[in-house]
Amino acid sequence: DTEVTQTPKHLVMGMTNKKSLKCEQHMGHRAMYWYKQKAKKPPELMFVYSYEKLSINESVPSRFSPECPNSSLLNLHLHALQPEDSALYLCASSQVWGPGDGYTFGSGTRLTVV
Amino acid sequence: TQLLEQSPQFLSIQEGENLTVYCNSSSVFSSLQWYRQEPGEGPVLLVTVVTGGEVKKLKRLTFQFGDARKDSSLHITAAQTGDTGLYLCGASNTGKLIFGQGTTLQVKP
Repeated sequence: DTEVTQTPKHLVMGMTNKKSLKCEQHMGHRAMYWYKQKAKKPPELMFVYSYEKLSINESVPSRFSPECPNSSLLNLHLHALQPEDSALYLCASSQVWGPGDGYTFGSGTRLTVV
Repeated sequence: TQLLEQSPQFLSIQEGENLTVYCNSSSVFSSLQWYRQEPGEGPVLLVTVVTGGEVKKLKRLTFQFGDARKDSSLHITAAQTGDTGLYLCGASNTGKLIFGQGTTLQVKP
């Protein structure tokens, strides 16, 4: 299995809703990432998990809450989002800390906040 | 803060033409990667370059890593309509993969 699977593919939520994005990989990668991508822009790093521990938080607002229940799963819990949070949310995984390691990205969740 | 400057940001060419995309930085990187992203999908890794001066070929795509490991280029020979997409260079030094601004390539038939 060489894929990163993200669900759902599309999500519409109100500003008072609570929802979760899910990401799964079975490549044995011990680093997992959340990125946010706005239209016509490159992906921006949000969080990095290494060996199931949060290692990097790029000053992301607390309305985004990541969770890594085990080495294969990564969640992003969403609460009280704003319309400007509408974007494509990408999950990625890689081996840890290798200089030549490429990242495998999922297809993303297209989030619309209304 | 390490920045990756990618150019051009937009390129529209006819099928069969050649093109080069550049990725430059003032920082030294242990590795640099090139990705291609299609609308509604995640980026797909094309290549990773690690050694200064390295050249890698992937069919009609040629990737080069600068001798000082601060810059890279992607050259496409005889572009095809299937090459259309967003090309991203990315670099990682401390477990954080950051991207350049991206180059949107449109290849017209």
